[in-house]
Amino acid sequence: AQSVTQLGSHVSVSEGALVLLRCNYSSSVPPYLFWYVQYPNQGLQLLLKYTSAATLVKGINGFEAEFKKSETSFHLTKPSAHMSDAAEYFCAVSDQGAGNMLTFGGGTRLMVKP
Amino acid sequence: NAGVMQNPRHLVRRRGQEARLRCSPMKGHSHVYWYRQLPEEGLKFMVYLQKENIIDESGMPKERFSAEFPKEGPSILRIQQVVRGDSAAYFCASSTFMTGSNTEAFFGQGTRLTVV
Repeated sequence: AQSVTQLGSHVSVSEGALVLLRCNYSSSVPPYLFWYVQYPNQGLQLLLKYTSAATLVKGINGFEAEFKKSETSFHLTKPSAHMSDAAEYFCAVSDQGAGNMLTFGGGTRLMVKP
Repeated sequence: NAGVMQNPRHLVRRRGQEARLRCSPMKGHSHVYWYRQLPEEGLKFMVYLQKENIIDESGMPKERFSAEFPKEGPSILRIQQVVRGDSAAYFCASSTFMTGSNTEAFFGQGTRLTVV
């Protein structure tokens, strides 16, 4: 069975500071990994995905994530936080061949201080 | 190209009533997924449907919940005899699906169900 753990349900950073949101997964097969962002009362928007190509994945809005198999991690980073980055972020995993049936982590709420 | 459309956006039901949530996938998408998000929690997979077929319903509660995706029209998630614990945001996602690869699932804006 797959599982996703997001360390830190709330993360607060200052505007311009580094953003680091942590995600660890467990999967019995090489997984596909995703980061989604959810703004208040909105649906989920895909930030980036890892599908067994390059281990460093660049996404939208300046975010990127690195797949580290040895650490079973897929942490999300952004060099400089913007006020508009304040949202809920979800890490998700999908088995190959499982279509898009996603297993989500519990989410991390990112707050950006001026 | 319209995105995934869910309606209604907000739904209030009294305990014991039925709730019907609709999802129209993106044009050209034949695979639909329903997820439930309880307050302060992540999304939990409920059911995966193709046109006229339920592919995986391992996340669906055994009673009161059903889903369909008919040949024509939107996918419907039906909750009978709702209880307070059914209050949640229900999200639909759709995708194309190519054998041997994963493609992006696009999410709707969700239906927020409140049971009073």
